[in-house]
Amino acid sequence: GIQVEQSPPDLILQEGANSTLRCNFSDSVNNLQWFHQNPWGQLINLFYIPSGTKQNGRLSATTVATERYSLLYISSSQTTDSGVYFCAVASVYGGATNKLIFGTGTLLAVQP
Amino acid sequence: EAGVTQFPSHSVIEKGQTVTLRCDPISGHDNLYWYRRVMGKEIKFLLHFVKESKQDESGMPNNRFLAERTGGTYSTLKVQPAELEDSGVYFCASSQDRVGYSYEQYFGPGTRLTVT
Repeated sequence: GIQVEQSPPDLILQEGANSTLRCNFSDSVNNLQWFHQNPWGQLINLFYIPSGTKQNGRLSATTVATERYSLLYISSSQTTDSGVYFCAVASVYGGATNKLIFGTGTLLAVQP
Repeated sequence: EAGVTQFPSHSVIEKGQTVTLRCDPISGHDNLYWYRRVMGKEIKFLLHFVKESKQDESGMPNNRFLAERTGGTYSTLKVQPAELEDSGVYFCASSQDRVGYSYEQYFGPGTRLTVT
């Protein structure tokens, strides 16, 4: 099945710094989503981005489907950005289910 | 428009007991998914409903787990009997199922299950 790798596994930032999180995947996808899991365990939808570029406030994401990777950019980080960031994909060969395969996540800690 | 809701938000039960989790998808979404994250590992797919039919239940770990979606609206996930390794966060997600719409899945807040 499709493989999803995220890097780095852990990241510590000072408040105000910028960061880039990466997601590599091993096959063609029809869905790619970025999530933020907050300290209460809730999954917050950040982007639905199987291709192209999107921006939402201090966050933006780019997916280069032909090269099988996606990047999540966080600018001017704040302590509330702390948590685990997950990338999840659905393979075009996954049948009608479109089930999401999650990466292992990037644990981000933003220090004041 | 209301998002995906899950109940309860947190459940603590003893090993051997039964627990039932509930998910209400976004109105009009035919696709309903269950996922879980256990022991700090990655989030994994459990099963997928299209309306009331199970499309894919390849991720269900064993026969102690039973999912239903009567009437194609809300879904329940029953764990009977619960084991220690079932502790984790159970997520529900829903998506539309119409040609021309995106495949985006919308996740609920999750149910944190603790088995002692």
